[in-house]
Order: sequence, then structure tokens, then C-alpha cells
Amino acid sequence: SAVISQKPSRDICQRGTSLTIQCQVDSQVTMMFWYRQQPGQSLTLIATANQGSEATYESGFVIDKFPISRPNLTFSTLTVSNMSPEDSSIYLCSVDTYRETQYFGPGTRLLVL
Amino acid sequence: DQQVKQNSPSLSVQEGRISILNCDYTNSMFDYFLWYKKYPAEGPTFLISISSIKDKNEDGRFTVFLNKSAKHLSLHIVPSQPGDSAVYFCAAGLQGGSEKLVFGKGTKLTVNP
Repeated sequence: SAVISQKPSRDICQRGTSLTIQCQVDSQVTMMFWYRQQPGQSLTLIATANQGSEATYESGFVIDKFPISRPNLTFSTLTVSNMSPEDSSIYLCSVDTYRETQYFGPGTRLLVL
Repeated sequence: DQQVKQNSPSLSVQEGRISILNCDYTNSMFDYFLWYKKYPAEGPTFLISISSIKDKNEDGRFTVFLNKSAKHLSLHIVPSQPGDSAVYFCAAGLQGGSEKLVFGKGTKLTVNP
């Protein structure tokens, strides 16, 4: 398994501002994923982040709103831009191991006022 | 269109009895499945997985059953313990694909002492 940490663990932000969430893994991994879990909903994949290439976004998510960086094999950031109350969610990063099992970070709880 | 469905939002069981959590999927291309457990304020924790070439996988108190013809899987917890109280997510993926996982909405399990 992999040990994953996220910063911040939670934040309260004002409408129109941006927040960058960091994800750190204790080992090198090829694929990292960013998910969103809105209240009462399932985990929804935002994008897949591979080191050295552009992130791949799922339908309904765009780079301008959720820019992602993946500077090396142990770190990634997700920015939630120009936030609105609808962006209030738990944001989770995960990594994929060779055994096709994803391991998740503890999540970042975001509240937008 | 929800490809992975957990139709029971909640389940309550007495300690020591069996907990059965169900999951249905619509995409016959899915070929591996995972169960995650999530406590409040934490990220999902991987529990157990099963490949489509199997119909059963067991790990301690946890057993996952897969019925491909019915596109149905279930997680059995025997015996249930109060510490098992959490939200359980079913997820499905494609081997050799983009490693994306599709999640159900989760079932909240409460194990009563």
C-alpha cells in the first residue's frame, strides 16, 4: 500500500477565490487521481495526473476550473479556481498500484461561502 | 447514467450477525471490483477486491461474491463488529485500461452492540 497525505485537511473559502490542494505520496507512483465527493454523493473522478504529461479530465471537468500539476512521481496539486458554493465538497487524491488497487489520501474538506 | 449502483443507502445489523452489502453494475466491460470503507473525516480505505475471473474472494471476516451474469456483487462481513460501522463504497474498473474507477454512492452500515 501507499501512504498519502493531503494539505490542507479542511478550509473555508470565500466565493471567487482559489484554493490549491497538495497531495504527497511516500513512494513513486505513475498514476495519481483527483476525486470529488459532494454531500451524499459517490466519489467522482475529476482527472488523472501522470508525471510529465497533461492531466486527463473527465467529462464535466475542465482545466481552467481545476488546474493540476504533477511535477514528480510523489507529488501533485489540484487547484479549485474561482470558487462558488457548489464547489463545497471533499477533494481526494488517490494513487494506483501495480495491483490495480487505488489508495486514497485523507481528503480535503472545502466549504465555500 | 449511474454505472455502479448501491441501492441501499443504509443498513443496520446487530453485533455478531452477518452484514450483506450489495452492488449492481451495468457495464459488462468492468473486470475488477473493489470495496472501500470510509469513516467520517477520513479517506476511503481499501478492503477487498475481486477479479471477474473469480466468483468469490475471502479475507478474514470479509468475503466478496461476484455474479457476472446478474452483474451483481456483494460484500459479506461475518461476524459484524461495532467498529465496522462506516460507509461502504463499491467500485468497478477495467484491467489494462486507464485504471479509472467508477464508484457507487455508498451504503452506511451501522453495527449495533
